[in-house]
Amino acid sequence: DTAVSQTPKYLVTQMGNDKSIKCEQNLGHDTMYWYKQDSKKFLKIMFSYNNKELIINETVPNRFSPKSPDKAHLNLHINSLELGDSAVYFCASSQDLGRLGGYTFGSGTRLTVV
Amino acid sequence: GENVEQHPSTLSVQEGDSAVIKCTYSDSASNYFPWYKQELGKRPQLIIDIRSNVGEKKDQRIAVTLNKTAKHFSLHITETQPEDSAVYFCAASSDLTGANSKLTFGKGITLSVRP
Repeated sequence: DTAVSQTPKYLVTQMGNDKSIKCEQNLGHDTMYWYKQDSKKFLKIMFSYNNKELIINETVPNRFSPKSPDKAHLNLHINSLELGDSAVYFCASSQDLGRLGGYTFGSGTRLTVV
Repeated sequence: GENVEQHPSTLSVQEGDSAVIKCTYSDSASNYFPWYKQELGKRPQLIIDIRSNVGEKKDQRIAVTLNKTAKHFSLHITETQPEDSAVYFCAASSDLTGANSKLTFGKGITLSVRP
């Protein structure tokens, strides 16, 4: 069983389109995150949710809108895609960070905007 | 907010040699320091972590040391093998159980182990 699963794994789309990435975790974790990994491999936090509530929103353009229908799911919708949005997007989850072992990452979604 | 610096950005070692990767952090309130390994095209995976009440932790060929006074921590890999080749990320967090818990990552180091 995959602990944190993301779909799709690859996404190629044209500028201006709207797309969504889905994430689900079966670990019972309370907190979920979206991170963006750029071409230089830098992992930068975008959002975090705790029990469906938005906690962290790190200066992300409002074209990005996360949604958490329940604590096991965190989806990311992106409007009006731009070339600079091309990156790998990782979902992650955690519970009692530090006591129970850091983040569990999803396998990533490679988004290419052409 | 927290700022985590990682250096060097690339490291190449001969198989069998040791590798040391260093990180510094800025927030003196940070108290949890994990290390992640990311192989090409795969997800980052936790390999070892340390909390601020411990100075050193070891797990087989890998160890992590923490110097709270200097605000730096290091990953040590002994007897390196080609399968250790990957990108390694250090991270820090100051809020472990609250709703605001998050990890701030360093920029990563690419370790190459030459056979």
